[in-house]
Amino acid sequence: GNSVTQMEGPVTLSEEAFLTINCTYTATGYPSLFWYVQYPGEGLQLLLKATKADDKGSNKGFEATYRKETTSFHLEKGSVQVSDSAVYFCALSLNSGYSTLTFGKGTMLLVSP
Amino acid sequence: SQTIHQWPATLVQPVGSPLSLECTVEGTSNPNLYWYRQAAGRGLQLLFYSVGIGQISSEVPQNLSASRPQDRQFILSSKKLLLSDSGFYLCAWSVGTGSSFFGQGTRLTVV
Repeated sequence: GNSVTQMEGPVTLSEEAFLTINCTYTATGYPSLFWYVQYPGEGLQLLLKATKADDKGSNKGFEATYRKETTSFHLEKGSVQVSDSAVYFCALSLNSGYSTLTFGKGTMLLVSP
Repeated sequence: SQTIHQWPATLVQPVGSPLSLECTVEGTSNPNLYWYRQAAGRGLQLLFYSVGIGQISSEVPQNLSASRPQDRQFILSSKKLLLSDSGFYLCAWSVGTGSSFFGQGTRLTVV
């Protein structure tokens, strides 16, 4: 079956620190990969995505590269801000006419001033 | 631009009572629609998806049902709520195999 594994949280960083959140996947086909972010009490927002190997998704200073050889899609940001504090979800979708998502369990990021 | 509306935002219901959560999408036609649940300790789980009016696929056996009476309306229901139905319910839409976009969610507490 399909699954996504994320590093356990919470990840606690000081402002301007470097962020990495690890994500690996298993899939029966060739998935698209996503990172979603959830701020407290809100729904999920698409942060970035990649649809094929070696693609790099980027948005708001966050980046992730689709690594087929290591089945990974690690999220990185060079300098985090307090406003980046949220829960981050890695997810995959197998393109089959619709886009049902398989999510990781989420990683909470806490950034202190 | 496309928008998705989900209501109510919060709901407290007694065990055994019925449930109806509604989701509507604006600004797009023939969307794929999805219901997910986020429960403590269980992550985000797909409950139902729909690729067209009246077409519902269930991913997980449960006490819930879904209906799609109109192209851009998706309803999540239960005849009798259980304590285990508590959670954060999220509606989402996509077009084809594109990215999914989520509503603001409904926090359901069954007491």
